[in-house]
Amino acid sequence: DGGITQSPKYLFRKEGQNVTLSCEQNLNHDAMYWYRQDPGQGLRLIYYSQIVNDFQKGDIAEGYSVSREKKESFPLTVTSAQKNPTAFYLCASSIGAGGLTEAFFGQGTRLTVV
Amino acid sequence: AQTVTQSQPEMSVQEAETVTLSCTYDTSESNYYLFWYKQPPSRQMILVIRQEAYKQQNATENRFSVNFQKAAKSFSLKISDSQLGDTAMYFCAFMKPQRPNDMRFGAGTRLTVKP
Repeated sequence: DGGITQSPKYLFRKEGQNVTLSCEQNLNHDAMYWYRQDPGQGLRLIYYSQIVNDFQKGDIAEGYSVSREKKESFPLTVTSAQKNPTAFYLCASSIGAGGLTEAFFGQGTRLTVV
Repeated sequence: AQTVTQSQPEMSVQEAETVTLSCTYDTSESNYYLFWYKQPPSRQMILVIRQEAYKQQNATENRFSVNFQKAAKSFSLKISDSQLGDTAMYFCAFMKPQRPNDMRFGAGTRLTVKP
């Protein structure tokens, strides 16, 4: 079945560690996104990529990094520079710019700093 | 910048009844898209319904319908014949054409359907 797969579902990070969240899609979508979700707030955009080998910062990119080496994959690294990384992270994809493009979401990764 | 406001953090409704979730937004654009997403306890975000601003007719998807008031910048979601499976967080979202990377979400409304 087509869709977006995020892994792991739960992730624990020690202080000072970098961790990488995986996001894979088989929808043949050009655009992919990473959002952060905190209680009482809407989704906030971390990074997005409209094509392979290209990505742009969103509203809250500090302390995060991404890569887009393949169309299907858009991993997110939470670095030690991110001071408050405990949150729920959602990956999404869409066909791309133009037209009424709805976003399709993965099931999310809950990251907790221990 | 566009902002999206959902003024009801939590709501509840009895099974089989009707409930309306509010959403207002702020923009100077004339053409844009609006969405309602549902996030059940599984945390998977699912598109419920969408509306194109240039279309005057309100969108409908089975038990879900919207009341789009462009002049008032209001986009409410009506759920008819509420079911237990409708229990979820509901997010209103705004997007400009050609800018899907700039989708703006409201803070969400937690809806509980009671048996």
